[in-house]
Amino acid sequence: TQLLEQSPQFLSIQEGENLTVYCNSSSVFSSLQWYRQEPGEGPVLLVTVVTGGEVKKLKRLTFQFGDARKDSSLHITAAQPGDTGLYLCAGGPGNQFYFGTGTSLTVIP
Amino acid sequence: NAGVTQTPKFQVLKTGQSMTLQCAQDMNHEYMSWYRQDPGMGLRLIHYSVGAGITDQGEVPNGYNVSRSTTEDFPLRLLSAAPSQTSVYFCASRSPGRYTQYFGPGTRLTVL
Repeated sequence: TQLLEQSPQFLSIQEGENLTVYCNSSSVFSSLQWYRQEPGEGPVLLVTVVTGGEVKKLKRLTFQFGDARKDSSLHITAAQPGDTGLYLCAGGPGNQFYFGTGTSLTVIP
Repeated sequence: NAGVTQTPKFQVLKTGQSMTLQCAQDMNHEYMSWYRQDPGMGLRLIHYSVGAGITDQGEVPNGYNVSRSTTEDFPLRLLSAAPSQTSVYFCASRSPGRYTQYFGPGTRLTVL
């Protein structure tokens, strides 16, 4: 049973479009992270959110943590080919981090 | 600063063989973890350690052993490899109280 469910699993969009990726759980997390992974490499942390309702912006990426700290979303504005990759959310109640199923994003030039 | 290093990068085993995946970090991080990544499953935690001499099981520990004799090293042992252990394995480290995990480049393991 996957603790964190991500949707959609695959996303293919044209350059310049906007998109949103969702990360949902029935569990409450003390923190939630978003990673991006390129083929053949390990995940790289993009952001950590810790407060319910928190919104963080990283250039064209906007991350939101749900009020109940059970879900999160990642919104990308004006996607670029360089945004292509696997996006993973991860939540940690303590020493362990549980990862979502991942969203594979392809941005077509 | 090399960060987190993993060896080997690729490995092919026959069913029943044993091997050790190596992981080392030079950031003096107390916390280290091993994950496996399978298509459509994200990353799943195998074992983790909060310091030298302390290890604990994650979500999918069966078939794997770990030990942590030093802060720097956290090897993962497969005692009798099975085809179900074909996967990409990632090692990660972080400091206690910090959320940022640093991942190694991964080991791609195929068990025939």
